[in-house]
Amino acid sequence: TQLLEQSPQFLSIQEGENLTVYCNSSSVFSSLQWYRQEPGEGPVLLVTVVTGGEVKKLKRLTFQFGDARKDSSLHITAAQPGDTGLYLCAGAGEGAQKLVFGQGTRLTINP
Amino acid sequence: ETGVTQTPRHLVMGMTNKKSLKCEQHLGHNAMYWYKQSAKKPLELMFVYSLEERVENNSVPSRFSPECPNSSHLFLHLHTLQPEDSALYLCASSQAWTGRNYGYTFGSGTRLTVV
Repeated sequence: TQLLEQSPQFLSIQEGENLTVYCNSSSVFSSLQWYRQEPGEGPVLLVTVVTGGEVKKLKRLTFQFGDARKDSSLHITAAQPGDTGLYLCAGAGEGAQKLVFGQGTRLTINP
Repeated sequence: ETGVTQTPRHLVMGMTNKKSLKCEQHLGHNAMYWYKQSAKKPLELMFVYSLEERVENNSVPSRFSPECPNSSHLFLHLHTLQPEDSALYLCASSQAWTGRNYGYTFGSGTRLTVV
């Protein structure tokens, strides 16, 4: 069974600080996604990474896929209150249509 | 409308009631999913429909019954639920397997409370 572990589970920091969230597994994934979920809403896809070592940037968010395609990280620079939410990573194995989700990182950015 | 729409947004039902959750997608996708999201647990996959056929049923109790009449609509029929079934139920859609999974589009969910 493929599992994705996210760390930390909870993170509360001040506006303007930097942070990194990790998503780790012992399994290889053919693709990995990051989602953000706000209270009362469904998860919204932020990015998909598919190549080992790939780095993608979305404004102040930087996503990296591990060389071995078993792990990923999300780095936020100069965090803002609007970044508050539940961040979920999800991966698909080779030949798999369904996604495996991590348990999420609940991020709070304090003004 | 665009995206994935779920109705109702909130539902309170007694344990003896029968109700249905509805999901509609306007993205031209041909795979649809039901997920359950409870506090302190990862998203739990319940059902997968691909090209209108159920391809996965993750050991979900029979009190949950899915229906997919066409590629744009998905229902979850509920009957004799238990209080522990209270959760956020999320619908998602994607393109059916094309060799690589590029992610899902989720609806806003139905917050279900069983009393």
